[in-house]
Amino acid sequence: NAGVTQTPKFRVLKTGQSMTLLCAQDMNHEYMYWYRQDPGMGLRLIHYSVGEGTTAKGEVPDGYNVSRLKKQNFLLGLESAAPSQTSVYFCASSYTMGHQLTDTQYFGPGTRLTVL
Amino acid sequence: ELKVEQNPLFLSMQEGKNYTIYCNYSTTSDRLYWYRQDPGKSLESLFVLLSNGAVKQEGRLMASLDTKARLSTLHITAAVHDLSATYFCAVDFLSSKLTFGTGTRLQVTL
Repeated sequence: NAGVTQTPKFRVLKTGQSMTLLCAQDMNHEYMYWYRQDPGMGLRLIHYSVGEGTTAKGEVPDGYNVSRLKKQNFLLGLESAAPSQTSVYFCASSYTMGHQLTDTQYFGPGTRLTVL
Repeated sequence: ELKVEQNPLFLSMQEGKNYTIYCNYSTTSDRLYWYRQDPGKSLESLFVLLSNGAVKQEGRLMASLDTKARLSTLHITAAVHDLSATYFCAVDFLSSKLTFGTGTRLQVTL
């Protein structure tokens, strides 16, 4: 049981380049999330999904796109990277939120992205 | 606006002493979560608080929730070095997602 995994762990991009971050979970979770973490700002939600084939915008969605074609995978895309997107990106998943005593979000190890 | 505020943002603790960190939130919710993050690592779930008056304890950490005051506290008893980390609270405002506080960095010194 690997939990939540993220690919890649590190990446350096030049401004204007594109890339896709992959998140995979093997816990049969319905909900999946993408966050970015910047110093002094906590975690901010980019996009999330409450089920296969559905996505929704979070707090800071501009410049990002997502897809959830399979229940276990959640992809985050940057079409034209900008230096402001330099950050650590975390993926998380959960069964649901708040409906069961054990509900919580499980986080992946993170992807450190630098845009030059 | 949904806001979650933690204080203090940084806490230097002496080993063996007790401390409390606070998490305030702006709108009614009865679902609050605490996470721990070690430097350069991911977030680990500590506590899930799902009702008013909920109290959870694990080792030297105890979390409580007062939904009427919109306040959660994380109490540290007899701090030890292993507790040095950043602690986040997060609130579920009944929207299938969490709003995180900015975190409290705890540093335990001898």
